[in-house]
Amino acid sequence: DSGVTQTPKHLITATGQRVTLRCSPRSGDLSVYWYQQSLDQGLQFLIQYYNGEERAKGNILERFSAQQFPDLHSELNLSSLELGDSALYFCASSPRSQSTDTQYFGPGTRLTVL
Amino acid sequence: QKEVEQDPGPLSVPEGAIVSLNCTYSNSAFQYFMWYRQYSRKGPELLMYTYSSGNKEDGRFTAQVDKSSKYISLFIRDSQPSDSATYLCAMSIFGNEKLTFGTGTRLTIIP
Repeated sequence: DSGVTQTPKHLITATGQRVTLRCSPRSGDLSVYWYQQSLDQGLQFLIQYYNGEERAKGNILERFSAQQFPDLHSELNLSSLELGDSALYFCASSPRSQSTDTQYFGPGTRLTVL
Repeated sequence: QKEVEQDPGPLSVPEGAIVSLNCTYSNSAFQYFMWYRQYSRKGPELLMYTYSSGNKEDGRFTAQVDKSSKYISLFIRDSQPSDSATYLCAMSIFGNEKLTFGTGTRLTIIP
């Protein structure tokens, strides 16, 4: 158990809908990262927050947004969902915001868009 | 062309064999190299972390980095059925915490 929790574990929804994925980092970790894992693209970095502020952006679609709250939990919002958004979404956390920090991954949320 | 290339496998070897997993990369700015293990329906977990060219050993696992060839390897000695998982290489650039992953190699150790 990495100490990172994600809810829900599974999410099934329809095209055009909006969902929110939640992540609680390990105790004391200030950085939260979101990744998308699909069969054809592998694990892709979406976005990073550090202590409430956006730190880095990757291949995140404009339909997706995220935030980190004062208690350091983070939410990833996915809107106008398309079939191609079906994937595993992982949250990871690290103590600080340094390249040498280990990123600890949560168990993931499996999103299915029908 | 992807920044990080990894043979997706699947790779099946008998128990006790030495396993070799590899990744190549194109971005010479990568300085930090990691291997993650991902069991089915679980999140990735860090196995090995290396910074410079050369070898790093941890128990049955050895990570090797050759920056001149842009090639990294993970060796597993005395492989066990519990090593059956997907192995992902990951890399990052100094000052940038974003990890760039390979697609992963699915490994099965046959008892």
